[in-house]
Amino acid sequence: QSALTQPASVSGSPGQSITISCTGTSSDVGNYNLVSWYQQYPGKAPNLLISEVTKRPSGVSDRFSGSKSGNTASLTISGLQAEDEADYYCCSYAGGSIFYVFGTGTKVIVL
Amino acid sequence: QLQLQQSGPVLVKPSETVSLTCTVSGGPIFTYDYDWGWIRQPPGKGLEWIANIYFNGRPSYNPSLRSRVTISVDTVNNQFSLKLNSVTAADTAVYFCARLKSRDHYFDSWGQGTQVTISS
Repeated sequence: QSALTQPASVSGSPGQSITISCTGTSSDVGNYNLVSWYQQYPGKAPNLLISEVTKRPSGVSDRFSGSKSGNTASLTISGLQAEDEADYYCCSYAGGSIFYVFGTGTKVIVL
Repeated sequence: QLQLQQSGPVLVKPSETVSLTCTVSGGPIFTYDYDWGWIRQPPGKGLEWIANIYFNGRPSYNPSLRSRVTISVDTVNNQFSLKLNSVTAADTAVYFCARLKSRDHYFDSWGQGTQVTISS
């Protein structure tokens, strides 16, 4: 199975909002409301930001929000801060034979 | 607080088997709500899901790796393990263990990662 498609990089100035897209197919993103998003700093393990498309775990800033339309999920970061500079990955459940597919990853650059 | 602890870096020769263990502390591995999984990340690349296992031993495997991977769980020692055989340089990666919320399908707690290098 192919990885979900994300832009290689997205940039923005402090205080701005940016959106990262995650495009899959009708077999994964489009078929389940089971997309999660992870933030990863260099040399560190990923950290859960969003589960089930829109749910934010306790402790995650409300500047992070998720949505989905058709086969594309999105992560929006509002009020961009320097500490948001990291890599971001989406992940979708894809059913009983493939199970989990990650996105290609997006590097967020804070200008 | 739940912690997943992984062992140190590993160097393995091509065609050999990599064995990794993840020790869970701060909570039982015997739980109905979670699976336990492995994800890897080649240098400079993205994440790839490898396998999950439920406390009762029910495994799920990435089809692209299934023929070479075995995942197991040890509820007595609160550990789960991964074996990857017939390794090549393409298996060089950081390997992460993680807890997966079974019904909702997201990874909510991660180990710190183990660097696995395949080289003769």
